[in-house]
Amino acid sequence: AQKITQTQPGMFVQEKEAVTLDCTYDTSDPSYGLFWYKQPSSGEMIFLIYQGSYDQQNATEGRYSLNFQKARKSANLVISASQLGDSAMYFCAMREDNQGGKLIFGQGTELSVKP
Amino acid sequence: DGGITQSPKYLFRKEGQNVTLSCEQNLNHDAMYWYRQDPGQGLRLIYYSQIVNDFQKGDIAEGYSVSREKKESFPLTVTSAQKNPTAFYLCASSKYTQGYSNQPQHFGDGTRLSIL
Repeated sequence: AQKITQTQPGMFVQEKEAVTLDCTYDTSDPSYGLFWYKQPSSGEMIFLIYQGSYDQQNATEGRYSLNFQKARKSANLVISASQLGDSAMYFCAMREDNQGGKLIFGQGTELSVKP
Repeated sequence: DGGITQSPKYLFRKEGQNVTLSCEQNLNHDAMYWYRQDPGQGLRLIYYSQIVNDFQKGDIAEGYSVSREKKESFPLTVTSAQKNPTAFYLCASSKYTQGYSNQPQHFGDGTRLSIL
């Protein structure tokens, strides 16, 4: 069974609008972390934001925020005020704390920002 | 500046040949990881190492080998037993602590491997 599911292979958003990228996860470990990475066409992986399973508040980092709904096992990334430079692949990943620091990645969502 | 350096950026392999991808980090991180990415796909873990002279298989270790003789270095060898090696290979590192940790993995720029 998929541990990380990103159901949107591709998304379009108008410049300056907000967009939500979906991520659901599956784990029985009570202690885990969720990460979002951005991968531009050049290939490097850029860390965006982190949410721990015990964190009481949703994480925010500049224009990025994470809509964490623990009971529903979802960790959606919200990008506010989209910019042309936000066009990239976005990956959701999970680390289960009893698994030695390994990350499990979703299949990714390709975001295209239109001018 | 601290970071992770992968070399070469592009690599071509002939049939039956072993090739080695280099990964060096100067972040003083304990843990290092190798991932494979196929076109349009997510990353899959090949091998990882939490400490020098120790490493564990990931989900797709067959046809690959690694070593961790120094904290800074974690080279990956793609052996001739790996029948479909064409992919993008990413190396990562992170601080490692037991249990709860918010340390992200930091990635190199990757190596694109192709079959001649």
